[in-house]
Amino acid sequence: EAQVTQNPRYLITVTGKKLTVTCSQNMNHEYMSWYRQDPGLGLRQIYYSMNVEVTDKGDVPEGYKVSRKEKRNFPLILESPSPNQTSLYFCASSLGKGGQPQHFGDGTRLSIL
Amino acid sequence: RKEVEQDPGPFNVPEGATVAFNCTYSNSASQSFFWYRQDCRKEPKLLMSVYSSGNEDGRFTAQLNRASQYISLLIRDSKLSDSATYLCVVNQGKLIFGTGTRLQVFP
Repeated sequence: EAQVTQNPRYLITVTGKKLTVTCSQNMNHEYMSWYRQDPGLGLRQIYYSMNVEVTDKGDVPEGYKVSRKEKRNFPLILESPSPNQTSLYFCASSLGKGGQPQHFGDGTRLSIL
Repeated sequence: RKEVEQDPGPFNVPEGATVAFNCTYSNSASQSFFWYRQDCRKEPKLLMSVYSSGNEDGRFTAQLNRASQYISLLIRDSKLSDSATYLCVVNQGKLIFGTGTRLQVFP
């Protein structure tokens, strides 16, 4: 089954404790992206990757890091999480460039205390 | 001005009703357009692409008006299962998401 898998689905943690949200897709997609979704603000892109070892900032990259060492994986790293990073996070992937319809993971609900 | 604007709703309609949502976009160079559906606290899912000539998929019809820079989604014969948030999405080299219009269909 074609899918984008994120882990964990839910996480409550404390300020400053480094965390990683994993994302994996099995569709051989070149393009992967991370979004955060906040009430009234919609989906905002954090980082994206056009292919292996190619990553770039989205609209709200501050406080986040990513890596793309393999085509299927695109982890999101919060080196020093802060309460304003409490949000619902989605990983997505698509064929080709970023303008194609994207498949989304189930989401990760992150709470930073 | 937001790049993609939608009426947040909610639109409360009875089963069987016809409901329409509009969405406006600011960048005239936008290349392609989509409607996504998002159920509460779940991931967005592609509902349909929007083509220049308009297109239909069962009870759903999408229209594009490039001159006025808006797209629309029409849902006929609403079902309870249509209750969700509908996201307007515009491709400007990357996908720009609207904040969504919430639809609630009641019995």
